[in-house]
Amino acid sequence: EVQLVESGGGLVQPGGSLRLSCAASGFTFSDHYMDWVRQAPGKGLEWVGRTRNKANSYTTEYAASVKGRFTISRDDSKNSLYLQMNSLKTEDTAVYYCARVAGELPGYNWFDPWGQGTLVTVSS
Amino acid sequence: DIQMTQSPSSLSASVGDRVTITCRASQSISSYLNWYQQKPGKAPKLLIYAASSLQSGVPSRFSGSGSGTDFTLTISSLQPEDFATYYCQQSYSTPWGTFGQGTRLEIK
Repeated sequence: EVQLVESGGGLVQPGGSLRLSCAASGFTFSDHYMDWVRQAPGKGLEWVGRTRNKANSYTTEYAASVKGRFTISRDDSKNSLYLQMNSLKTEDTAVYYCARVAGELPGYNWFDPWGQGTLVTVSS
Repeated sequence: DIQMTQSPSSLSASVGDRVTITCRASQSISSYLNWYQQKPGKAPKLLIYAASSLQSGVPSRFSGSGSGTDFTLTISSLQPEDFATYYCQQSYSTPWGTFGQGTRLEIK
């Protein structure tokens, strides 16, 4: 079974840092791009960023709202994805999901599956 | 950046109804359009990819169509488990995960 499990969420003060993890199983993790998507309480889905695979030099991309503050990394030997969040703001409060990027043709990409999510609350 | 606009934002319908949700892109995205279903407290689930391809395991009452800027998700006969929020998402260009604002489907 293809599965993604996030961990590391919690309460952090504004300006603080937090590192989320996503453990993958049931598929060849190293082959896939992996993304983070977040959802603020009662709001819609917001893409956070992407890490590509080794064949694409592990390049990363970020949403403008987190660029320079968040860093995505991966450890293919551990089938794990990470999101390092620094300089956190109250507006970063959200459930954070990791998602596998599926589909092999350029542009024909979609998120499947998603993890169950981990809640990050930024508050003093 | 490409903007995705869904309509309606909310919808009330009855079991057995045929329902259509529309998603419009601010520029042409060919058929690089995906649909997700999200139930309260749960992660989103892929329904349709590449505008019209049904994800494995998704009931055939769900269908997608469209290309360019205008897309639709249709549920041919609503079932109780279909009441949820639906999101479209473009994969044409970065930011890759641009989603529509969501359509909340409620029981009438």
